[in-house]
Amino acid sequence: NAGVTQTPKFQVLKTGQSMTLQCAQDMNHNSMYWYRQDPGMGLRLIYYSASEGTTDKGEVPNGYNVSRLNKREFSLRLESAAPSQTSVYFCASSSSGQPNTEAFFGQGTRLTVV
Amino acid sequence: AQKITQTQPGMFVQEKEAVTLDCTYDTSDPSYGLFWYKQPSSGEMIFLIYQGSYDQQNATEGRYSLNFQKARKSANLVISASQLGDSAMYFCAMREPPEAGGFKTIFGAGTRLFVKA
Repeated sequence: NAGVTQTPKFQVLKTGQSMTLQCAQDMNHNSMYWYRQDPGMGLRLIYYSASEGTTDKGEVPNGYNVSRLNKREFSLRLESAAPSQTSVYFCASSSSGQPNTEAFFGQGTRLTVV
Repeated sequence: AQKITQTQPGMFVQEKEAVTLDCTYDTSDPSYGLFWYKQPSSGEMIFLIYQGSYDQQNATEGRYSLNFQKARKSANLVISASQLGDSAMYFCAMREPPEAGGFKTIFGAGTRLFVKA
């Protein structure tokens, strides 16, 4: 039972480089999310996709783009990485947007921008 | 705007004792969901317990219970009979109501729990 799978698990980028973080879920969930986790700040929502074909900005969208490729996959792209984007990135999914549906998280991607 | 506050950066508890992790929240919406997640040192996020704003009773899941005081806007997590494996980071979170889309979940800064043998 894979749940939510993120790749890669670790990545080091140079300032200005681009990369795409991949996320896939096998739970037939409608909604998917990208968060970043910084020390002392909990998780902050970058972008979310309420359902296939839709994406919306979260709290901290600047410097990122997303693509909801299909119901299973939701990717996060950094077009020109900056040191401020050094963080741990989590992808999550939930069956709907109802308040009582918990989110299931991937293992996280630790990204360092030098 | 919604906000979650966890005022305890770190907590210590003796094995087999109970511990309460504090969480206060701020929202003007009458409908919302409150969650607690556990993040062990391995990094994954594990869902623990959920409380709906209209639920009359406090949520319980095994050794976890949620002390929900709506008027005070607090949703404290109580872990009974602490185990060494409970040592982890704990996050309180709130999801916005369905009328607002129900998709944004905001998190507190977390509390790191250390269980002593």
